[in-house]
Amino acid sequence: EVQVVESGGGLVQPGGSLRLSCRASGFTFSDYHMDWVRQAPGKGLEWVGRTRNNVNSYTTQYAASVKGRFTISRDDSKNSLYLQMNSLKTEDTAVYYCASASQGYWGQGTLVTVSS
Amino acid sequence: SYELTQPPSVSVSPGQTARITCSGDALPKKYAYWYQQKSGQAPVMVIFEDTKRPSGIPGRFSGSTSGTMATLTISGAQVEDEADYYCYSTDSNDTPLFGGGTKLTVL
Repeated sequence: EVQVVESGGGLVQPGGSLRLSCRASGFTFSDYHMDWVRQAPGKGLEWVGRTRNNVNSYTTQYAASVKGRFTISRDDSKNSLYLQMNSLKTEDTAVYYCASASQGYWGQGTLVTVSS
Repeated sequence: SYELTQPPSVSVSPGQTARITCSGDALPKKYAYWYQQKSGQAPVMVIFEDTKRPSGIPGRFSGSTSGTMATLTISGAQVEDEADYYCYSTDSNDTPLFGGGTKLTVL
């Protein structure tokens, strides 16, 4: 059974930092590109960024809205994905999902609230 | 910048066929995927690689493509199909993106 579990969400002040983690099981994590996707309250899904698999040299891509502030990394030995978020803005408030979007593997999400 | 365009809403009566479209210039060369999201839940894939249905997804869900448009069809829509639906694909540089979403009402 595929399981994807995010952690690390919470309340942070504007300008602050937060690190999200994601642990996956039930599939060969190292084979797949992994994504972070977010959903602001009452809004649609927004792709945040991706780390490709080792065959593709673990290259990363980011949405323009987070480029230069967010960093994605992965540890295949731990079946884990990470999202380091710096210089957070109020508009970064959202549920953040860890996913392999082209495979249909998603977690339940973790809420990040950026507010003073 | 590249966009996937969906209608904001579609409404059908139970038993009717619902069609949700997704328009994007790269769709002739890139796969389309469809996600269903019910209120308060994580998205669930209902179609992958344009036309394929994951195991466990009812047969009334189908996908098709024609030129720059992908279509999700729900044949004989049921009340439990009421949800937000998102198309997902990549642009010509393989950067992923989602469409804006379509709210399906079945009543």
